Amino acid sequence: DAGVTQSPTHLIKTRGQHVTLRCSPISGHKSVSWYQQVLGQGPQFIFQYYEKEERGRGNFPDRFSARQFPNYSSELNVNALLLGDSALYLCASSLTGAETQYFGPGTRLLVL
Amino acid sequence: DAKTTQPTSMDCAEGRAANLPCNHSTISGNEYVYWYRQIHSQGPQYIIHGLKNNETNEMASLIITEDRKSSTLILPHATLRDTAVYYCIVRGGAAGNKLTFGGGTRVLVKP
Repeated sequence: DAGVTQSPTHLIKTRGQHVTLRCSPISGHKSVSWYQQVLGQGPQFIFQYYEKEERGRGNFPDRFSARQFPNYSSELNVNALLLGDSALYLCASSLTGAETQYFGPGTRLLVL
Repeated sequence: DAKTTQPTSMDCAEGRAANLPCNHSTISGNEYVYWYRQIHSQGPQYIIHGLKNNETNEMASLIITEDRKSSTLILPHATLRDTAVYYCIVRGGAAGNKLTFGGGTRVLVKP
């Protein structure tokens, strides 16, 4: 079975632009979580979704938003990009959100 | 959120057991101990988790003390491919379902 998939793998944007990152969970998983990992640090929680509803939000500005679709895939949107948004963005899926989370390979975003 | 304390780094000889300690003295009764590892530039990989009892799977063993204030992840026969950052995470309870990563332990397996 395929694991969590994310696209694109790499992305370069300039300050002020908008970006959309995509995630497909493991088949049968209905919950998706997003994390940001800045170089040299551990991943930081951004959002969790279950059955298209937001179930948790980390300490990130409103420029960050997400949604989950009926097929349980998810998008993370970041508006008005800042240099500090350069990071590895990780998606993790789990059955309902309360079980073990399995991570995808991530999308590496560079903001110039 | 219950916090964890791990050594910053440790070395291990290839073929020997690697014992990775973690302190979580503020853990509450319904919180789980999870271990993940992250090999350079890849997504974190789930290793094992437990609540009270010791656990073993094909990757590792998890030993949790009786008072649950600390745990040890054991990689029975370390290989060079086990070189990674290992994260000990306490999850559940009031903190909810999110994973709160600390700095982790950077493990270097040497030949």
